[in-house]
Amino acid sequence: GESVGLHLPTLSVQEGDNSIINCAYSNSASDYFIWYKQESGKGPQFIIDIRSNMDKRQGQRVTVLLNKTVKHLSLQIAATQPGDSAVYFCAENEGYGNKLVFGAGTILRVKS
Amino acid sequence: DADVTQTPRNRITKTGKRIMLECSQTKGHDRMYWYRQDPGLGLQLIYYSFDVKDINKGEISDGYSVSRQAQAKFSLSLESAIPNQTALYFCATSDATSGGHYNEQFFGPGTRLTVL
Repeated sequence: GESVGLHLPTLSVQEGDNSIINCAYSNSASDYFIWYKQESGKGPQFIIDIRSNMDKRQGQRVTVLLNKTVKHLSLQIAATQPGDSAVYFCAENEGYGNKLVFGAGTILRVKS
Repeated sequence: DADVTQTPRNRITKTGKRIMLECSQTKGHDRMYWYRQDPGLGLQLIYYSFDVKDINKGEISDGYSVSRQAQAKFSLSLESAIPNQTALYFCATSDATSGGHYNEQFFGPGTRLTVL
């Protein structure tokens, strides 16, 4: 089946800097793209999603950008904090049925 | 109180044993899912259920079975566990979608299963 993948497995940033986590997807029929955060020993936690007919969506300190031309998704975290340290997954929703296809994940490490 | 709970949180078993992982939710959601996570990888869908009478296979259903005992309960069974089923297992829930649109999935804390 089609899959979602990530470019960078590990990202280290200084506290206060902005973080950008990237993701490539291959299923152009997906209608939603979602970012999840997973802290050690916990289940994934929803961060933000974007519908396929949008190219940008903002949340609290986070922005998701969608470029359908090159099938690329990114998550921007402003003023990264130590509590942002986690594994970040992008996922795509394969239409009806709410079935998610996850990428491999990026580890974000925030240095104080 | 957690909305999605999983039991047990950790389990070590031997090859050939039957194992059941349980998931309960208090969110009142119709849809429930079981995922598997291997080290360094994303989550893969094992089975999902739209309601009590509906069960569907996911990407990697071989070697697994499920039971939806009630709206709030969805269990995953390994009939004869093998070492390559060692992984983290997550349950998730979501509201039913309308018109095929996505609804957020809420995940439980996970069960760490080791098959020796």
